[in-house]
Amino acid sequence: NAGVTQTPKFRVLKTGQSMTLLCAQDMNHEYMYWYRQDPGMGLRLIHYSVGEGTTAKGEVPDGYNVSRLKKQNFLLGLESAAPSQTSVYFCASSYTTSGRYNEQFFGPGTRLTVL
Amino acid sequence: DQQVKQNSPSLSVQEGRISILNCDYTNSMFDYFLWYKKYPAEGPTFLISISSIKDKNEDGRFTVFLNKSAKHLSLHIVPSQPGDSAVYFCAASGTDSWGKLQFGAGTQVVVTP
Repeated sequence: NAGVTQTPKFRVLKTGQSMTLLCAQDMNHEYMYWYRQDPGMGLRLIHYSVGEGTTAKGEVPDGYNVSRLKKQNFLLGLESAAPSQTSVYFCASSYTTSGRYNEQFFGPGTRLTVL
Repeated sequence: DQQVKQNSPSLSVQEGRISILNCDYTNSMFDYFLWYKKYPAEGPTFLISISSIKDKNEDGRFTVFLNKSAKHLSLHIVPSQPGDSAVYFCAASGTDSWGKLQFGAGTQVVVTP
């Protein structure tokens, strides 16, 4: 049982390049999330998904797109990377969203640098 | 507009003593609160939570207190151990946000021998 995994762990991009971050979970969770963590700002929600084939915008969605073609996978895409997207990206999943079952399980993170 | 605030970016405590981490929130619709712990180069891991119908929840060395009238919660770690050195995030969810979590900026705890 690997939990939540993310690939890659590190990436350096040049401004304007594109990339996709992959998140996979083996807990059969319906809900999946992408966050970014920046110094002094905690974790901010980029996009989330309430089930296979569905996605929705979070707090900071601009410059990112997502897809959830399979229940266990949640992809985060950057079409044209900008230096402001330099951050650590975390994927998370949860069984549900209410009360005590809203415990989110996090992946190890992807450190992205955009030059 | 940060709805969850952790005003102490860092805390240093001696091994064996109590660590007290504070968190304030502004949204009165929040009804569930969680604390996460994060080590360097790892993702956050769930530590303890509390529902708004309670004012205290205890799990081993960790206790979370909730003061709804003050919109304040705190995490107590007793006794503090070197392995507790990590960043602690406070998070909240509410009935008006579908269940999405709002995170504070985190508090770096360092436990010294």
